[in-house]
Amino acid sequence: QKEVEQDPGPLSVPEGAIVSLNCTYSNSAFQYFMWYRQYSRKGPELLMYTYSSGNKEDGRFTAQVDKSSKYISLFIRDSQPSDSATYLCAMRAGGSYIPTFGRGTSLIVHP
Amino acid sequence: DTGVSQDPRHKITKRGQNVTFRCDPISEHNRLYWYRQTLGQGPEFLTYFQNEAQLEKSRLLSDRFSAERPKGSFSTLEIQRTEQGDSAMYLCASSITGYEQYFGPGTRLTVT
Repeated sequence: QKEVEQDPGPLSVPEGAIVSLNCTYSNSAFQYFMWYRQYSRKGPELLMYTYSSGNKEDGRFTAQVDKSSKYISLFIRDSQPSDSATYLCAMRAGGSYIPTFGRGTSLIVHP
Repeated sequence: DTGVSQDPRHKITKRGQNVTFRCDPISEHNRLYWYRQTLGQGPEFLTYFQNEAQLEKSRLLSDRFSAERPKGSFSTLEIQRTEQGDSAMYLCASSITGYEQYFGPGTRLTVT
């Protein structure tokens, strides 16, 4: 079993929908949680960065961390076709600068 | 554009040849990372520099792989005696805090 599990999808939604993307993890030492967006044949782009449990909002994006369940989520409101990409979760332990990535979830937002 | 740059963007090589990739981090970012990504997978950590010092290497990193960061600026990743299993996207990322990493566009390697 991998340390970070992420459903590869694809997840297909209509424009304007609320999207929920999720990751689970097994390493209780993880304290820092990130979400990256990756367009085809491009490098990942950092979207959200959170520490420990709780919520963080940035525009249409909300990141949630539930450390008790070892479960993190990224919500995208009013999804747009331009949001179509692969979304990678990543996490790392305190004192480490090396993140562990999930395999990514492919999101397709159709007009 | 002041982001992370990588060169070349694409490399096709024959099995057994050596290849070298270059990464230029964001100016003043003292931390630099190399990752490998294959289709349908997330980035896999290869190695990490803080300034010119190579502080961590993945246990998965074969002896055929070597990385340098002279003077703490740009970095190179060399793969010797390439194998077909080396075909992947090689990503470089830089950071100033060690927390948020900024990725380059990647170098896509195809070994024939």
